[in-house]
Amino acid sequence: GEDVEQSLFLSVREGDSSVINCTYTDSSSTYLYWYKQEPGAGLQLLTYIFSNMDMKQDQRLTVLLNKKDKHLSLRIADTQTGDSAIYFCAERDNYGQNFVFGPGTRLSVLP
Amino acid sequence: DAGVIQSPRHEVTEMGQEVTLRCKPISGHNSLFWYRQTMMRGLELLIYFNNNVPIDDSGMPEDRFSAKMPNASFSTLKIQPSEPRDSAVYFCASAEGGSYNEQFFGPGTRLTVL
Repeated sequence: GEDVEQSLFLSVREGDSSVINCTYTDSSSTYLYWYKQEPGAGLQLLTYIFSNMDMKQDQRLTVLLNKKDKHLSLRIADTQTGDSAIYFCAERDNYGQNFVFGPGTRLSVLP
Repeated sequence: DAGVIQSPRHEVTEMGQEVTLRCKPISGHNSLFWYRQTMMRGLELLIYFNNNVPIDDSGMPEDRFSAKMPNASFSTLKIQPSEPRDSAVYFCASAEGGSYNEQFFGPGTRLTVL
């Protein structure tokens, strides 16, 4: 079945860049998403990328997609303490409504 | 719009009791998802509905769990009887039809079964 993998933890210093990585197995994935979950809250969509793109930039966020290697990354420039959260990678194919979420990467931003 | 609404936000119950979690999706959304989140297993999809019809319930852990969507604006997830291992945060999410289909998550219900 489909599988999405992420490293579970990442620590960075405030002001540095964070790079969160994700790998997926479903080659038919059409959309790939990054969600953010702050403590005690639900998930919120940060950004998404369509599978025919290899990069998307939105302010401090840069998403890179390597479709050949089925690798997705999220780069957060100038990481702030408010960026501390769990970041989930998710994929969806073009056929169904179902999302497959990764286990989430807990980002800790150190002062 | 108020977003996806879930109630209660917190529930504490004793083993063996029935628990009902409620969800009101965003108006106009035709897909609804129930997820469970635990430290051990992460975020798991339990069931999802499209146009009030259950499409995939393969994630429902066992017969003690049931979900209904009697109309487009309301869904329930019931656990009967509840067990301590059901303790988790349960999220409801909704999405509208369309190409990129963002899922909007509710705030979750934190369930503790003693």
